[in-house]
Amino acid sequence: DAKTTQPPSMDCAEGRAANLPCNHSTISGNEYVYWYRQIHSQGPQYIIHGLKNNETNEMASLIITEDRKSSTLILPHATLRDTAVYYCIVRPTLWPGNTPLVFGKGTRLSVIA
Amino acid sequence: ETGVTQTPRHLVMGMTNKKSLKCEQHLGHNAMYWYKQSAKKPLELMFVYSLEERVENNSVPSRFSPECPNSSHLFLHLHTLQPEDSALYLCASSQDGGLAAFFGQGTRLTVV
Repeated sequence: DAKTTQPPSMDCAEGRAANLPCNHSTISGNEYVYWYRQIHSQGPQYIIHGLKNNETNEMASLIITEDRKSSTLILPHATLRDTAVYYCIVRPTLWPGNTPLVFGKGTRLSVIA
Repeated sequence: ETGVTQTPRHLVMGMTNKKSLKCEQHLGHNAMYWYKQSAKKPLELMFVYSLEERVENNSVPSRFSPECPNSSHLFLHLHTLQPEDSALYLCASSQDGGLAAFFGQGTRLTVV
């Protein structure tokens, strides 16, 4: 079962920042927060992940609250190509071994011209 | 381009056919996964291979048979499928240590 809660849909005006929230109140100390997105009928695309510090890359920024019970993905200047379903996933890091990603329903972001 | 390639991209098959989906990764990863995405449903994990051994099988019907001959290749053999098996089948790979998994573009399967 997915351990995150996301709003089912959001709209954002083109050129504005898109802020996508995620609640993960039962997150454990060894679990990372991952964000993926899926553009219609394509494979999910990795965006960013973090443990407790805020993270930024060329695609987005990830803000994690101090208690780690929620996070926000920020797309600083949304474009029409950012229209997609965005998934927030918590996943433990086990060494060695792999833990598969478990997807919920995500947030459908519509960027509007 | 994610480094994970799936073929074919589209497949139409009859219920009595046998077909195979192929996944190849060029990332040096040691784990590979099959996911299924039915219309308007979340992705469902089907199989996990780590170091070429199957480590997870999420109650998938036996008409789906995975094969992982080496760390770069993953197959999903299909036989006597049902129309409800029509879906997008996605392959992913990752490396030990919890780094991000990367997905292929998927195979859109239609069973007629």
